[in-house]
Amino acid sequence: NAGVTQTPKFQVLKTGQSMTLQCAQDMNHNSMYWYRQDPGMGLRLIYYSASEGTTDKGEVPNGYNVSRLNKREFSLRLESAAPSQTSVYFCASRLDGNSPLHFGNGTRLTVT
Amino acid sequence: AQTVTQSQPEMSVQEAETVTLSCTYDTSESDYYLFWYKQPPSRQMILVIRQEAYKQQNATENRFSVNFQKAAKSFSLKISDSQLGDAAMYFCAYRSLNRDDKIIFGKGTRLHILP
Repeated sequence: NAGVTQTPKFQVLKTGQSMTLQCAQDMNHNSMYWYRQDPGMGLRLIYYSASEGTTDKGEVPNGYNVSRLNKREFSLRLESAAPSQTSVYFCASRLDGNSPLHFGNGTRLTVT
Repeated sequence: AQTVTQSQPEMSVQEAETVTLSCTYDTSESDYYLFWYKQPPSRQMILVIRQEAYKQQNATENRFSVNFQKAAKSFSLKISDSQLGDAAMYFCAYRSLNRDDKIIFGKGTRLHILP
């Protein structure tokens, strides 16, 4: 009963380094999302994928890229990390219709 | 573009009392979904309640209910008989029915329960 699994849970990067945040869901959900959460800013949508093979920009896509590798997996890549990307990142998925989002446990990323 | 506004960064309520959290949104669409999510200190996001815009009846889930005012674009959450376990961040969220699958959130309201 894994649900949405994010890896890693914590990560520290130096400015300019790259990394990929992984997300996988085992609920056969169609849509997947990446959000970042910052104090006082709520959850802001980075990218989302309404179905396998499609991705769309959210509210704050700059500095990020995504890949919907298959129906299960949706990764988020930071090509050149900046301190402004220090945040908690959440992956989420949903089935369809009015079904709610199911969230992973988050990744706390610090860029120094 | 759609926006979601939660104007109360923090609120406090006495245990067993009732509290209402505000949410307004801006959209030109007629069909959409609205949600309230709860995030306790564990950081896990939990669905509290959802509302379809085409339904006039306000949604309820046990002690949680909404006051959905479509014309005013308002979607407030009422928590009755507040319990210590209700202490959390609460986020209002919007999803369009007509377009892609974008879901956007407000900035959240931190709710404190006073014993």
